[in-house]
Amino acid sequence: DTGVSQDPRHKITKRGQNVTFRCDPISEHNRLYWYRQTLGQGPEFLTYFQNEAQLEKSRLLSDRFSAERPKGSFSTLEIQRTEQGDSAMYLCASSPTVHSYNSPLHFGNGTRLTVT
Amino acid sequence: AQSVTQPDIHITVSEGASLELRCNYSYGATPYLFWYVQSPGQGLQLLLKYFSGDTLVQGIKGFEAEFKRSQSSFNLRKPSVHWSDAAEYFCAVAPNQAGTALIFGKGTTLSVSS
Repeated sequence: DTGVSQDPRHKITKRGQNVTFRCDPISEHNRLYWYRQTLGQGPEFLTYFQNEAQLEKSRLLSDRFSAERPKGSFSTLEIQRTEQGDSAMYLCASSPTVHSYNSPLHFGNGTRLTVT
Repeated sequence: AQSVTQPDIHITVSEGASLELRCNYSYGATPYLFWYVQSPGQGLQLLLKYFSGDTLVQGIKGFEAEFKRSQSSFNLRKPSVHWSDAAEYFCAVAPNQAGTALIFGKGTTLSVSS
């Protein structure tokens, strides 16, 4: 399977705990994106990487959120001191380059976070 | 700021009937436009995209979309809907510049009745 892989698929945590999600992009894709999707909404952009460099962050990404892509391959998204409002589906996507005609985003199946 | 509006939250279509899902965008120049489909428990799958050229684009699964600059619209169509098309559909826009992420609409849920 050469698609975008996300782990875990589901995460239930108590308010105040820290959680970390992992995304493995399609190999050789140098762009990696994180999105958040809440019920009844479309995906909302959080941040993206060009190789290991984090090039853009959304204002949705509060200081409790941090993302890394240390070697330009897989990425992690950490949420510290989780709040119930963080409950959502966290989607990862990758692409080989900017949005050219032949290289659209490929999305993973997401990690569903539930904060109790 | 760029935005995408999908006016219909939920649409029900009879199997075999035609379908049109509406999408309007707000952006000064011609953006890149996309339609994605999301089935329960699945990731987003690209149906089709428009970058330039012919304003009628063909996608997978028998879908097509037409870009109308004068109406700032990019509506998705299918001539005959199948039960397996029941899913959530998202229109998205990417400004025509390097490195900018997609902006998605809120989605339209399609139900197919027999």
